[in-house]
Amino acid sequence: NAGVTQTPKFQVLKTGQSMTLQCAQDMNHEYMSWYRQDPGMGLRLIHYSVGAGITDQGEVPNGYNVSRSTTEDFPLRLLSAAPSQTSVYFCASTNNRGDYYGYTFGSGTRLTVV
Amino acid sequence: GQQLNQSPQSMFIQEGEDVSMNCTSSSIFNTWLWYKQDPGEGPVLLIALYKAGELTSNGRLTAQFGITRKDSFLNISASIPSDVGIYFCAGQGRGSNYQLIWGAGTKLIIKP
Repeated sequence: NAGVTQTPKFQVLKTGQSMTLQCAQDMNHEYMSWYRQDPGMGLRLIHYSVGAGITDQGEVPNGYNVSRSTTEDFPLRLLSAAPSQTSVYFCASTNNRGDYYGYTFGSGTRLTVV
Repeated sequence: GQQLNQSPQSMFIQEGEDVSMNCTSSSIFNTWLWYKQDPGEGPVLLIALYKAGELTSNGRLTAQFGITRKDSFLNISASIPSDVGIYFCAGQGRGSNYQLIWGAGTKLIIKP
């Protein structure tokens, strides 16, 4: 069981470039989400999905797109990278079992935009 | 919107000391979660709390769900070097569709 797999682990982009951060889970979790982590600010939700074909915006969605064509995959697209998007990005998933909301996190993608 | 205040922001402790950190919310939560993040890794769930007043232990870690449902604390007894990292609290309110509200984290550092 691999859990949540994120690729790449590190990435440097130039301002204006686009890229896709990959996230895959093999636990058949229905809920998947993307967070960004900045120093002193905890985790902020970018986008989330409650199932294949369903996505919604989180707290900081601007500049990012997502899609959920399968249960397993939830890619995050940066449309035109900006220095303000320099951050560590985490993908997380969970399954709804009553009130249990213990997310499983990937190991993160550290993105630098220059 | 909902906010979580987590304190302290950082702690410098000696090995063997007990550690205490807490989170307070402006709103009522139905679930409190405590996570730990090691450098270069994603957060890992330590303890989950589901009922007001609940006290739950996981080894040397103990967490409580406040009676008002607006706060939670985490204690670590007899700290060891592998306890270093960032500890996050997270809360979830009813009807929030899986979404969690996160504290800013408490960074635990062991003094040499």
